[in-house]
Amino acid sequence: DAKTTQPNSMESNEEEPVHLPCNHSTISGTDYIHWYRQLPSQGPEYVIHGLTSNVNNRMASLAIAEDRKSSTLILHRATLRDAAVYYCTTDGGGADGLTFGKGTHLIIQP
Amino acid sequence: ETGVTQSPTHLIKTRGQQVTLRCSSQSGHNTVSWYQQALGQGPQFIFQYYREEENGRGNFPPRFSGLQFPNYSSELNVNALELDDSALYLCASSVGTSGGWEQYFGPGTRLTVT
Repeated sequence: DAKTTQPNSMESNEEEPVHLPCNHSTISGTDYIHWYRQLPSQGPEYVIHGLTSNVNNRMASLAIAEDRKSSTLILHRATLRDAAVYYCTTDGGGADGLTFGKGTHLIIQP
Repeated sequence: ETGVTQSPTHLIKTRGQQVTLRCSSQSGHNTVSWYQQALGQGPQFIFQYYREEENGRGNFPPRFSGLQFPNYSSELNVNALELDDSALYLCASSVGTSGGWEQYFGPGTRLTVT
């Protein structure tokens, strides 16, 4: 699985959009891009994943660069409950599991 | 639909002892992965079980072992505990082993080794 690079922390205001970037320049053609988030004292929570095309679900949108070397998680309207550590990971399936970095600590200001 | 559950919630062991952690996967999921998360770090992949067979392993020594049962629940066993084994142990279940499946994590077991 590819190594991912994310900013250590980001800050945003409540009810505004948030764009969380991730670089995965060594990603292979069959690796999926996954995003998870983790609240204190809880296990990671699945947010969204994709392979090549942009993806939307009820929680967020995932924008994948055309060369797939980077992606952006978009929270359209942040709430205080979105404050968490967000992990960008890649998953080639099979036997390697998810490879997590240190993630981005997202702070939401009221 | 019941989510992923883990037991116990917390555990304190002494260096050199052995520990068994348990995980019940989400209904309909046949794949279970285990992760170790040290304080302030992201989870690190230990191994994955698919249909009762170990399907893959991260960079962990053989004293970390596991089992998966016919109902797809799983155990993580750690022998000869070391102080560095103190961490949050997470299990995650998924429908399959493909990278296209999302993983659903349990709340974790906090292990402290003294």
